[in-house]
Amino acid sequence: KNQVEQSPQSLIILEGKNCTLQCNYTVSPFSNLRWYKQDTGRGPVSLTIMTFSENTKSNGRYTATLDADTKQSSLHITASQLSDSASYICVVSALNNQGGKLIFGQGTELSVKP
Amino acid sequence: KAGVTQTPRYLIKTRGQQVTLSCSPISGHRSVSWYQQTPGQGLQFLFEYFSETQRNKGNFPGRFSGRQFSNSRSEMNVSTLELGDSALYLCASSLAGGRTEAFFGQGTRLTVV
Repeated sequence: KNQVEQSPQSLIILEGKNCTLQCNYTVSPFSNLRWYKQDTGRGPVSLTIMTFSENTKSNGRYTATLDADTKQSSLHITASQLSDSASYICVVSALNNQGGKLIFGQGTELSVKP
Repeated sequence: KAGVTQTPRYLIKTRGQQVTLSCSPISGHRSVSWYQQTPGQGLQFLFEYFSETQRNKGNFPGRFSGRQFSNSRSEMNVSTLELGDSALYLCASSLAGGRTEAFFGQGTRLTVV
């Protein structure tokens, strides 16, 4: 069964600190993995998208890694800011003969405190 | 370049009524997917339309339906509303579906009373 599991479920950190969010998946056949940031009450916004051959990708203070062998990904946030408080969702795209299908994790709720 | 536009942003309906939500994708995008998001369930896939045809479907009852027009705009309809249908409904557009990057709208917050 195609699944995406994220940990931790929630996280509280102090402003300026770093943190790492985890994503494990059992999706096959794999197409790509994305990280989204979702502010409360708003639509998700894409942070990174990685294919099988990419093992790291950065977007400002956000760096995502992908280990396709162990089917694990992480999202590292450097020097956190109050505006980083949001839900971070890991999404894996599975190939199928209808253009592909997205499998969503439950998200990690990050709260950055001053 | 305009983003994905969903209307209305907020909606309050009574049990048993029906509702239609609209999604205008990014210009040039042919795929529109719909999702239901609730605090306990996260994002749940409803269906995807590509070139006016439903291409993928999630595990929702037949009360949830959709369609896509020739200009790629999409509508989602929910009939015989239940309290449990209260959720944030998101649509996402992409060039060609699951393998290509998806851009989400701001969502429609539906409250069923």
